[in-house]
This record gives sequence, structure tokens and C-alpha cells, in this order.
Amino acid sequence: NAGVMQNPRHLVRRRGQEARLRCSPMKGHSHVYWYRQLPEEGLKFMVYLQKENIIDESGMPKERFSAEFPKEGPSILRIQQVVRGDSAAYFCASSPLVPATRETQYFGPGTRLLVL
Amino acid sequence: GDSVTQMEGPVTLSEEAFLTINCTYTATGYPSLFWYVQYPGEGLQLLLKATKADDKGSNKGFEATYRKETTSFHLEKGSVQVSDSAVYFCALSGAAATGGGNKLTFGTGTQLKVEL
Repeated sequence: NAGVMQNPRHLVRRRGQEARLRCSPMKGHSHVYWYRQLPEEGLKFMVYLQKENIIDESGMPKERFSAEFPKEGPSILRIQQVVRGDSAAYFCASSPLVPATRETQYFGPGTRLLVL
Repeated sequence: GDSVTQMEGPVTLSEEAFLTINCTYTATGYPSLFWYVQYPGEGLQLLLKATKADDKGSNKGFEATYRKETTSFHLEKGSVQVSDSAVYFCALSGAAATGGGNKLTFGTGTQLKVEL
């Protein structure tokens, strides 16, 4: 049973470019979460999605950041016009539909974004 | 809002020493509590969890007890190994009824170094 998959594992962008991060949840999981880990810091919640719905985006910056989880395919976190402060590790997590176990989130290996 | 406070690291121990990493939390309602471990360059792995007061989570020799009266979830291990060297994160998940939803709130992490 494959775990949460993220790609790319490493991404280098120049200021002003777009970064697109992908996340495929574990098989059978329909809830996806994105977190950001800045250097030497803990993880901060960004957004929580279900298929075709954004449930909670309270941690997303108001500008340049967007997320989607289409009916088919992976979840995408998109960062437009990247700046150096966007350099961080971005982690995706997924959880199953069943409410009793929904709280346990399983993390992917992360995408490390470096903005030059 | 919800918050998690962990003891600062790094914590350096000799192999076979006793480990305690303190974690306290602030939350409304009845959160679930987690410990995650992050090895260098990797994502987070769930180490253990507890979903209600007085529950004890345990895994791989690690354990933590959910103490509602002291709002704590300290991580302990009786005899650490070099392979336990990693960063440990305490986290909570708000109960859906309180509106905390499914997002995890993390502490800043505690780096553990175990030496021979």
C-alpha cells in the first residue's frame, strides 16, 4: 500500500516564477492537508481539502497561493510569482474518510522549494 | 486559538539514557494528541497518539500519557538508541465539534541527538 506521494521532491525557482507542487494521497484517503515548514520551525497548517472542495484555507496566504483537489488526479498547491520567503518544505498529508480515524494524518516526504 | 509548546532542543543523550521531551497544549474542547518523528530529509511519521484523557499512546518503546489536568503529553523512552536521533514534534487535532476541524497544530519540534 503506497504511502502519500509528493513530487517533485526538490524544486528550484527564480523569483517571479510559478511553483506547482503535487500530492497523491494514500489509497482510500479522500482528505488532503498542506503544511509548510520554514527553516528551523515547526509545521504550519495551510489548507484542508476534500475532492473538489476547499474545507479550510485559514492558513493560506491571501495572495499568490492556491490549492485544488480535483475529482481525478493529485492535489496541487500552486504558488504564483514566488519570492525568497516562500523557500520552505511543503508537506502534504492525507486521512481516510471514516470519521473515527479521520484525525490521524499520514505525511508525504515533502517538496523542498528553493527560490533563488 | 490552539497552541502546542515543546521544550527546546537540541537534547543530547548517551545511548541507553532515559528520554523525556515535554509537551503542553492549549485547546478548547477535547483534542487528540500526537507525537510525530522526522528523520533528516524525510517527512513526518506518526509515532503515537492518544484521543482522550488518561489514554497512553505507545510505540517502539516510546510512550506518552494524555493528562488533561496538566494539559500535557510528555514523550518518554526508557533507553534511547543512536537510531532514535531525529526531530520530534508534538501536535494536537481539534475536535470537530469545537470547530477545530481536522488541522494539526504543531509544536516547534525538539531535536534529539543520541551518542554512543
